[in-house]
Amino acid sequence: AQRVTQPEKLLSVFKGAPVELKCNYSYSGSPELFWYVQYSRQRLQLLLRHISRESIKGFTADLNKGETSFHLKKPFAQEEDSAMYYCALRAGTALIFGKGTTLSVSS
Amino acid sequence: DAGVIQSPRHEVTEMGQEVTLRCKPISGHNSLFWYRQTMMRGLELLIYFNNNVPIDDSGMPEDRFSAKMPNASFSTLKIQPSEPRDSAVYFCASSLWDTPGGYTFGSGTRLTVV
Repeated sequence: AQRVTQPEKLLSVFKGAPVELKCNYSYSGSPELFWYVQYSRQRLQLLLRHISRESIKGFTADLNKGETSFHLKKPFAQEEDSAMYYCALRAGTALIFGKGTTLSVSS
Repeated sequence: DAGVIQSPRHEVTEMGQEVTLRCKPISGHNSLFWYRQTMMRGLELLIYFNNNVPIDDSGMPEDRFSAKMPNASFSTLKIQPSEPRDSAVYFCASSLWDTPGGYTFGSGTRLTVV
C-alpha cells in the first residue's frame, strides 16, 4: 500500500537549534518524494523535491531507500520556519500526503 | 498568471444544504486535484483529473460528493446534502501532466456545516 507517515504532529525547538522532521514512506515502485510547507494563512507551496537534491531556505532532505525515509533537516532553525510541513509521495500523477508536522520555533 | 483560484474562500451552510466549491487551474496545466484538509486526517486526496477526465475518485468519501471538470479551466466539487462532518478546508491544485515540478495549490475553501 502507498503510505506516507509523519510520526510527529508537533515539533517545538528553540531558535538556532537543529531541526529534523521525520517522514517514512511505503511504496512498491521507485519513489519520488517532496516536502511542502504551509505558513500561517498561506497556501501550500513546494519546498523541495528529492530528485533536485537542492537546499531551500537552509532545508535539505535525503532519500534513504533502505530505511524508506525522507527526513527534512535544517542545522539552525529560525523563527520564520514555524509552519506546517507535509511530506508527499508521488503515486502515478497524484501526490499522497502525510498528516503533517507543525514546527514551532521560539526564541 | 494569478495561480490556482478557488471560490468561495469561506462557506458556512446548514446541514442538508447543497454546497458547490469552484476551482480555476493554472492555464496550460492539464492535471487537477481536489484535497480535503482536517486536523485529524491531514491532507486527503479526493479526486483528480487528467485532461478533464476523472482518473481516480477512490478518495471521495461518499456518494454525497461529486466533482466535475467540464473544461480545462474550471472544476467543481459538490456536496449534496452536506453534513457537519464535511467541515474542512478543501484545496484544489493543478500541475502539468507527469511533471516533477510538483503542484500549485489554491488558497482553499474553508467549509463549515452547522
